[in-house]
Amino acid sequence: GENVEQHPSTLSVQEGDSAVIKCTYSDSASNYFPWYKQELGKRPQLIIDIRSNVGEKKDQRIAVTLNKTAKHFSLHITETQPEDSAVYFCAASIREAAGNKLTFGGGTRVLVKP
Amino acid sequence: DAGVTQSPTHLIKTRGQQVTLRCSPKSGHDTVSWYQQALGQGPQFIFQYYEEEERQRGNFPDRFSGHQFPNYSSELNVNALLLGDSALYLCASSLGGGLVNIQYFGAGTRLSVL
Repeated sequence: GENVEQHPSTLSVQEGDSAVIKCTYSDSASNYFPWYKQELGKRPQLIIDIRSNVGEKKDQRIAVTLNKTAKHFSLHITETQPEDSAVYFCAASIREAAGNKLTFGGGTRVLVKP
Repeated sequence: DAGVTQSPTHLIKTRGQQVTLRCSPKSGHDTVSWYQQALGQGPQFIFQYYEEEERQRGNFPDRFSGHQFPNYSSELNVNALLLGDSALYLCASSLGGGLVNIQYFGAGTRLSVL
């Protein structure tokens, strides 16, 4: 089955700096890659996603890149702010009629120091 | 518009007992997926329900079972509880029988098994 590895497990950055989180996946059939942000005690919230027919997607300070050949994708957060502090999860999924389970990475705890 | 709601928020059980967790999907959604999130880890897929049937299942024993009702709400049942079942149980809903991958999560039910 699919396996998703996520690095680093913790990331500490100074406010205003950039943060980059990397994930690799094992199943070349995966074609949908969402990123979720989970604050302490709260629900995972979708912050951005990318499909396999796209190499890069941006939404304000957040961007995601996908390299299908290498089977890895990354989350980039620019101009980090204290409210960006949270745990971030990447996931991979296969769009198919039988379902679309998400396989998650282990998470990255991001701390933005003011 | 209500998002995904789960009940109860917290639950304490003892080993060997049985538990039922409940989920109401986001308005208009017809597919419900359940995930188990152990402390400090990413969510793990348990199963997905669509049209009142289990469509896809992760690597969980038969002690984990579920149900989806005609109004698309869902229940997760766990029998013969083990200490290792202690976790946050997340429900996610999506639209289109799983062909549209975007999954929205509830806040979860935190289960403690003593």
